Amino acid sequence: GAGVSQSPRYKVAKRGQDVALRCDPISGHVSLFWYQQALGQGPEFLTYFQNEAQLDKSGLPSDRFFAERPEGSVSTLKIQRTQQEDSAVYLCASRKGSLWDTDTQYFGPGTRLTVL
Amino acid sequence: AQSVTQLDSQVPVFEEAPVELRCNYSSSVSVYLFWYVQYPNQGLQLLLKYLSGSTLVESINGFEAEFNKSQTSFHLRKPSVHISDTAEYFCAVSLSGGYNKLIFGAGTRLAVHP
Repeated sequence: GAGVSQSPRYKVAKRGQDVALRCDPISGHVSLFWYQQALGQGPEFLTYFQNEAQLDKSGLPSDRFFAERPEGSVSTLKIQRTQQEDSAVYLCASRKGSLWDTDTQYFGPGTRLTVL
Repeated sequence: AQSVTQLDSQVPVFEEAPVELRCNYSSSVSVYLFWYVQYPNQGLQLLLKYLSGSTLVESINGFEAEFNKSQTSFHLRKPSVHISDTAEYFCAVSLSGGYNKLIFGAGTRLAVHP
């Protein structure tokens, strides 16, 4: 079946603009993660959803970052008043099981955000 | 807190030569261990993982990794690499018993030359 998809693949924003990044997980996957990958670095955890519940948002770098998954499937990561340090690749991953599951996290291709 | 250190940012190697990509982790509690691979212009893909049991785990394309608890290491090895193995490799850990968010190292770029 289809994998995790993300849109847009590339986004250029002017400093101060708001952006919204979309993630379509694999159908039926309960868990959804967002990660941020800065240039030359490994991905860093941002937030975790189990269905529609956001159980951990400890990795969100500031209150300008907001994520939602209102119906337990598609998720949106919103960044308000973008700053240059927000430039990164934003990765979404989904997993079939819920909280204690050790199944594989499947990653999308990412959205590359460039803030000018 | 947990952390992952990948000791080499880049590893150049000739085709058919052996390779080892090093990974060390720090954690005061039990962890699961993973290697992910990112081919050019593609997303992260799971290469192999250690959850429990045998400390030697293998992938379908000839890579293997060994969990060494005393040295807190999970090095990735392949006895003979191919051009197609050129990619970025990420070592990651997650806490056993948690919801398994991944903590990644900075990555190692493997460049296989003919």
